[in-house]
Amino acid sequence: EVHLLESGGGLVQPGGSLRLSCAASGFTFSTYAMTWVRQAPGKGLEWVSGISGAGGSTFYADPVRGRFTISRDNSRNTLFLQMNSLRGEDTALYYCARPYQPLNYFDYWGQGTLVTVSS
Amino acid sequence: IVLTQSPGTLSLSPGERATLSCRASQSVSSSFLAWYQQKPGQAPRLLIFAASSRATGIPDRFSGSGSGTDFTLTINRLDPEDFAVYYCQQYGGTSWTFGHGTKVQIK
Repeated sequence: EVHLLESGGGLVQPGGSLRLSCAASGFTFSTYAMTWVRQAPGKGLEWVSGISGAGGSTFYADPVRGRFTISRDNSRNTLFLQMNSLRGEDTALYYCARPYQPLNYFDYWGQGTLVTVSS
Repeated sequence: IVLTQSPGTLSLSPGERATLSCRASQSVSSSFLAWYQQKPGQAPRLLIFAASSRATGIPDRFSGSGSGTDFTLTINRLDPEDFAVYYCQQYGGTSWTFGHGTKVQIK
């Protein structure tokens, strides 16, 4: 059974940094691209970043490009999101989601980890 | 590509039909259009992929249709468990986009 478990969220001051992790199990992690999707409180879903299976290609939404870095460790079946220069508008529940290839819909989601940016 | 969902809120009674619209700012490949359901406190759940294919375990009262820039999610005979927020989503090669969602609430 596929399972995605996010961790690393918390309260951080504006301008601070945080590193999120997503531990994956139940599938061959290295053969799947992976993504982060966030949801601000009471708002809709927003795709944040994606990475290819081998990690050689990365993609970012405009609001986070240059501040966030996605990476993965296929030996540990873990996805990461390094978030720097955090802003209030980055406050959200961050989901790890698996895009099913080749149609790129999200067939599995974690339960999310909450990031709160506030002084 | 921007996805615009309408209406923002749909107030219906159990047993009625819900028709949700998702309009894209430019043509989207049907292969890359999906719909999700989200209930409070839960992660989104995949309903429809490739515009009209139901995901595993999704009841047949859910159906998707459309092409190009106009896509529709139809829920026949609303069940009490169907009252939730619904999102459309497209993949554009190097990025993913969601619509802002349609809330289906009990009238």
